[in-house]
Amino acid sequence: AQSVTQLDSQVPVFEEAPVELRCNYSSSVSVYLFWYVQYPNQGLQLLLKYLSGSTLVKGINGFEAEFNKSQTSFHLRKPSVHISDTAEYFCAVMGDFNKFYFGSGTKLNVKP
Amino acid sequence: DSGVTQTPKHLITATGQRVTLRCSPRSGDLSVYWYQQSLDQGLQFLIQYYNGEERAKGNILERFSAQQFPDLHSELNLSSLELGDSALYFCASSVGTSGGNEQFFGPGTRLTVL
Repeated sequence: AQSVTQLDSQVPVFEEAPVELRCNYSSSVSVYLFWYVQYPNQGLQLLLKYLSGSTLVKGINGFEAEFNKSQTSFHLRKPSVHISDTAEYFCAVMGDFNKFYFGSGTKLNVKP
Repeated sequence: DSGVTQTPKHLITATGQRVTLRCSPRSGDLSVYWYQQSLDQGLQFLIQYYNGEERAKGNILERFSAQQFPDLHSELNLSSLELGDSALYFCASSVGTSGGNEQFFGPGTRLTVL
């Protein structure tokens, strides 16, 4: 069975600083990997996804993630964050039988 | 606005009752997914339908059931409700069933069981 671990429940960071949100997954089969963002009182929005090919994936709002098969990681990065990036971020994996598994979420708090 | 609509926005009911949550997918999307988001369980995938047929099943309780109708809208039925069923229920839709298809999430239905 697949599982997703987001190591940090909260990440405080100052505006314009770089940030990395960590995600590790466990799977015995090939997976698709995703990062979603959830703003307060809203549904989830897809930031980026890895299906195959280049291990560096670029998404919306300046975010990118790198798939590392040997470390079973899919960390999300942004070189310079804005106040508007304050939200909760979810890593997800789609494994066998089209089932989706989400991590517990990381709350990014960007401070001025 | 994702184009996915969910009704009602809020629902307050009592233990033991039965409720129905409704989802209308984006125009042209054939797949509908249901998720439950709660403080203690996090975000959990419940079930997926594609063009009227069940395609994938996650952590959905036997007290819960879903269906997708010919017009592609979907309903999630929750019965014998317990306090622990209080959560935000999201519906998402996508064009197909492949993981490569982006899922578009609705705004959610907040269920409170008293």
